[in-house]
Amino acid sequence: GAGVSQSPSNKVTEKGKDVELRCDPISGHTALYWYRQSLGQGLEFLIYFQGNSAPDKSGLPSDRFSAERTGGSVSTLTIQRTQQEDSAVYLCASSPPGQGLGETQYFGPGTRLLVL
Amino acid sequence: AQSVTQPDIHITVSEGASLELRCNYSYGATPYLFWYVQSPGQGLQLLLKYFSGDTLVQGIKGFEAEFKRSQSSFNLRKPSVHWSDAAEYFCAATLNDYKLSFGAGTTVTVRA
Repeated sequence: GAGVSQSPSNKVTEKGKDVELRCDPISGHTALYWYRQSLGQGLEFLIYFQGNSAPDKSGLPSDRFSAERTGGSVSTLTIQRTQQEDSAVYLCASSPPGQGLGETQYFGPGTRLLVL
Repeated sequence: AQSVTQPDIHITVSEGASLELRCNYSYGATPYLFWYVQSPGQGLQLLLKYFSGDTLVQGIKGFEAEFKRSQSSFNLRKPSVHWSDAAEYFCAATLNDYKLSFGAGTTVTVRA
């Protein structure tokens, strides 16, 4: 079946512009996660959704970052007034409903963001 | 602080040789442990995971990992490496059910 998809695959933007990154999880997966992968910081958790609610936003680096999820499916990560340090690969993952104990997270291919 | 450490940044191994990637964790309790692989331009693929029970875990692509509580380690092994195993490998852990903490990754190069 279809895996997690993300768009765009690559995004180049100018400093100060806003960007939107999209994630389509695997159908039926109730949990959705955003991570950031950068050279200096490695892989970092950003935010977690259960359905449309985000119980944990603790990884969002600043108030320029926000995310929403609609219909228990698609999620959008928005970065306002982008800075060069926002350049990274943004990975989305989803996991199926279950006991909630370490459910496997299935990752998308990521969006590579470059802020000039 | 909770952390996952992968001591080796880069490992080079000959095709057909064995491979061992190290992972250590620092948590107050035993976390759930995972190994993921990332090929260039690809997302992360789960190789195996440990929750409890048997300390030797079998995964996909011929990989296995051994959990050692006394050493706070979860090392990944493969008896005979194939050229297609060249990739970056990440160890990850979580105490709760969602927030994965990743090690810095180990890049594996396979030489003919």
